[in-house]
Amino acid sequence: EPEVTQTPSHQVTQMGQEVILRCVPISNHLYFYWYRQILGQKVEFLVSFYNNEISEKSEIFDDQFSVERPDGSNFTLKIRSTKLEDSAMYFCASSERAGTSDEQFFGPGTRLTVL
Amino acid sequence: QKEVEQNSGPLSVPEGAIASLNCTYSDRGSQSFFWYRQYSGKSPELIMSIYSNGDKEDGRFTAQLNKASQYVSLLIRDSQPSDSATYLCAAGYFTGGGNKLTFGTGTQLKVEL
Repeated sequence: EPEVTQTPSHQVTQMGQEVILRCVPISNHLYFYWYRQILGQKVEFLVSFYNNEISEKSEIFDDQFSVERPDGSNFTLKIRSTKLEDSAMYFCASSERAGTSDEQFFGPGTRLTVL
Repeated sequence: QKEVEQNSGPLSVPEGAIASLNCTYSDRGSQSFFWYRQYSGKSPELIMSIYSNGDKEDGRFTAQLNKASQYVSLLIRDSQPSDSATYLCAAGYFTGGGNKLTFGTGTQLKVEL
C-alpha cells in the first residue's frame, strides 16, 4: 500500500540553525501539507501546497518557514533560524483530491528537537 | 477562529463493548470530517471520512454527522485492546488549493480486558 515517507525520523539542532525536513508524498497525490504537533498538544495546520505554490498557510507559518517541491517526488519544509519553541513533531500529509472528497494521509513524522 | 472540541477522556470501555466518541465543530463552512487514530509517539492514521449528514459504516466503525448540530461522532463496535489510542476528530475547510484540517485535542480511549 502506498504511503507517505519522511526523513529524518529525528532531527536535533542548535537554536539558530537551519533545518530541512523531507517528505515523499504518495505518488499520484496532488495536494501536499505540513502539520506540526507540539508534545501533548493538538495537531496544527502549517501550510498546504498545490500546483507548485502555497495555497494556504497558517499564522504559525511565518517568514521563518518555507516549502519547496524541488523535484517530482520530494516535498520539503525548511525552518530558518530555529527557536526552542519549534521543537515538535512535524507531519507531512498528502491527498489525491481536495474539496469534499479528500482524504489526507500522514507520514510517520519527524521529531525536531531544538537545543 | 475555527475550533473542534473533543472530550479528552480517558474513556474506558470493556473489551467487546461499544465505544462512543464525540466531537463538535464551530465553522459551518467545514465540508469534510475525519476521524484519525493516533498511538502514542506515532502519526495520525485515517480511520473514517464523512461528508454528508447521516451514518457511514466501515467494518467495526460507524461515523455519524449532523451538520445542523455541528456534531460528529464515531462508534467502535466490539472494542479490542488494540483500539486503545487517542482518537482525533478533524474538520476540513476547502481553500481552493487543498483542504485545511482543524483538529481537536483528541479523546483517549482505553479498552480494558
